[in-house]
Amino acid sequence: AQKITQTQPGMFVQEKEAVTLDCTYDTSDPSYGLFWYKQPSSGEMIFLIYQGSYDQQNATEGRYSLNFQKARKSANLVISASQLGDSAMYFCAMREFRILSGNTGKLIFGQGTTLQVKP
Amino acid sequence: EPEVTQTPSHQVTQMGQEVILRCVPISNHLYFYWYRQILGQKVEFLVSFYNNEISEKSEIFDDRFSVERPDGSNFTLKIRSTKLEDSAMYFCASRPGAGGLAKNIQYFGAGTRLSVL
Repeated sequence: AQKITQTQPGMFVQEKEAVTLDCTYDTSDPSYGLFWYKQPSSGEMIFLIYQGSYDQQNATEGRYSLNFQKARKSANLVISASQLGDSAMYFCAMREFRILSGNTGKLIFGQGTTLQVKP
Repeated sequence: EPEVTQTPSHQVTQMGQEVILRCVPISNHLYFYWYRQILGQKVEFLVSFYNNEISEKSEIFDDRFSVERPDGSNFTLKIRSTKLEDSAMYFCASRPGAGGLAKNIQYFGAGTRLSVL
């Protein structure tokens, strides 16, 4: 069964520094996708970045990059040059792509990591 | 930029009542989802909907829950006989299902906070 683990309940980072949020996953499917979402205190879920299991390069989106280590089954989010507005809960999520009856792409989420950026 | 819209932002109801949570997915998207998040916990999958029918549902989605896409734009989640434990944030999401990399990305609405008293 697919599973996502985020072992850091809370993280602090100084403004303008980089921070890495950890995510490990477990799946028996060779084809899958990994996602990171940001949830500010207002509650909405904001898509940040996506990595496919067959992508050769690590995904990047602006200040966000995904450190994908397939053999270790890890998909850590790196935020560079942290800003005060980055303070939020961050969720790692996974989707399996195998064609099973009823499999239409549900996301399985980790427990989340609360990031606080200090001025 | 297109977005998923959910109404109301907060719904308060008495235990045993019925509630309808409404969502307007992004217009050209093909797959629709409901998730819930109990306060302080992780986001949990409820149901996926494609081609006007449920394609997958979780154990949480019992026979008190139903979804509907009545008019090609709205996507609703109905909960009958609400229980205290239904109190949570409910998120609607949609994804394109076609068109390269973006087809895999689910875009979420801002959520409806349901409080069952």
